[in-house]
Amino acid sequence: GQNIDQPTEMTATEGAIVQINCTYQTSGFNGLFWYQQHAGEAPTFLSYNVLDGLEEKGRFSSFLSRSKGYSYLLLKELQMKDSASYLCAVKDSNYQLIWGAGTKLIIKP
Amino acid sequence: GAVVSQHPSWVICKSGTSVKIECRSLDFQATTMFWYRQFPKQSLMLMATSNEGSKATYEQGVEKDKFLINHASLTLSTLTVTSAHPEDSSFYICSAARGQETEAFFGQGTRLTVV
Repeated sequence: GQNIDQPTEMTATEGAIVQINCTYQTSGFNGLFWYQQHAGEAPTFLSYNVLDGLEEKGRFSSFLSRSKGYSYLLLKELQMKDSASYLCAVKDSNYQLIWGAGTKLIIKP
Repeated sequence: GAVVSQHPSWVICKSGTSVKIECRSLDFQATTMFWYRQFPKQSLMLMATSNEGSKATYEQGVEKDKFLINHASLTLSTLTVTSAHPEDSSFYICSAARGQETEAFFGQGTRLTVV
């Protein structure tokens, strides 16, 4: 079956750096997405990786290793507003998005 | 990024009535729209995928006669929850994509409460 694993919850300190990991096993691969979702709101797009390597976008970076079925989202200079759930999703061979359960990130002052 | 508008943002209805939720892509043509349901503290659950001009493809376990999806144009899809029951209370979210290889953009979501 298809499976995406990410930690359920993480805690970090304001101003610090946090890395959220995502491992996947899917039938085919057509890209990996990271979304941010605040409680009670819809997800917002953060990043897209289809080739191996690091994609940097401001304070957020996303890394992909297709051979390892692994990705991480790196958040730098954490702010209180970064407290949210972070969803990892993979497009399979049919371009269907397979969603992880999300990682709830708690930022402490 | 592209804008997807979902309406209403919240609705309360009586058990047994029907509710329609609209999803519009405001500044792009969406060949594909997705409807999700999300229960508290759980991840997104895909309900159905709809392509403009064709019938929606429903995920296993989703009743197509209860959750009617219409994707009549490249900018509008609707989800109608028919004969709603309290267990249908949930957060319903639509997303739209220009094509298969692009990212999907989400609407604001609709919080449905059936009393």
